[in-house]
Amino acid sequence: DAKTTQPNSMESNEEEPVHLPCNHSTISGTDYIHWYRQLPSQGPEYVIHGLTSNVNNRMASLAIAEDRKSSTLILHRATLRDAAVYYCIPGYGGSQGNLIFGKGTKLSVKP
Amino acid sequence: GAVVSQHPSWVICKSGTSVKIECRSLDFQATTMFWYRQFPKQSLMLMATSNEGSKATYEQGVEKDKFLINHASLTLSTLTVTSAHPEDSSFYICSASRAGVAQTQYFGPGTRLLVL
Repeated sequence: DAKTTQPNSMESNEEEPVHLPCNHSTISGTDYIHWYRQLPSQGPEYVIHGLTSNVNNRMASLAIAEDRKSSTLILHRATLRDAAVYYCIPGYGGSQGNLIFGKGTKLSVKP
Repeated sequence: GAVVSQHPSWVICKSGTSVKIECRSLDFQATTMFWYRQFPKQSLMLMATSNEGSKATYEQGVEKDKFLINHASLTLSTLTVTSAHPEDSSFYICSASRAGVAQTQYFGPGTRLLVL
């Protein structure tokens, strides 16, 4: 399993963009990069995933480095509801089940 | 997005009793379901992976005779904690996925278990 490094915590102001970095230098060529987030006392929630190209959806954007050894999750305008622990998880995903959760980044959003 | 439910959302039981937790995919057929456990201030730990109609695959260190998993249909998996002890108190979370590469895992809201 690829090892990931994420900041323990980050702070953001409401309505400002947030860039959450993740290093995954040992990622394999077939691993996708998945991002999930977990609000307090809830199950994780899917945010976004990608393989090589940058990806956008209604929740966030995912910027993947050309060498795939790092990626950045971008929340374009943070809201108070975005306060959560964000997990970056390299893996095959889906029915393979190899989503290994690390410690993630705890994002705080200030009003 | 797809919805996964868990029941019960919380349970308190006496030491030595067994507890069953249900995980249902409400609006899609889940080829694979996963069970995780999360202790306070820690990350999720994968306990086991189950495919419909076959035996679950347990992660190293997880006792299969203590944590019984049944995946009888494409929309239902159950986790039974047998002879529960206080150290089994935790937040149990299931997730479900369709078949295929890079499919999203949809997580349930979790079940908080307290063993007295």
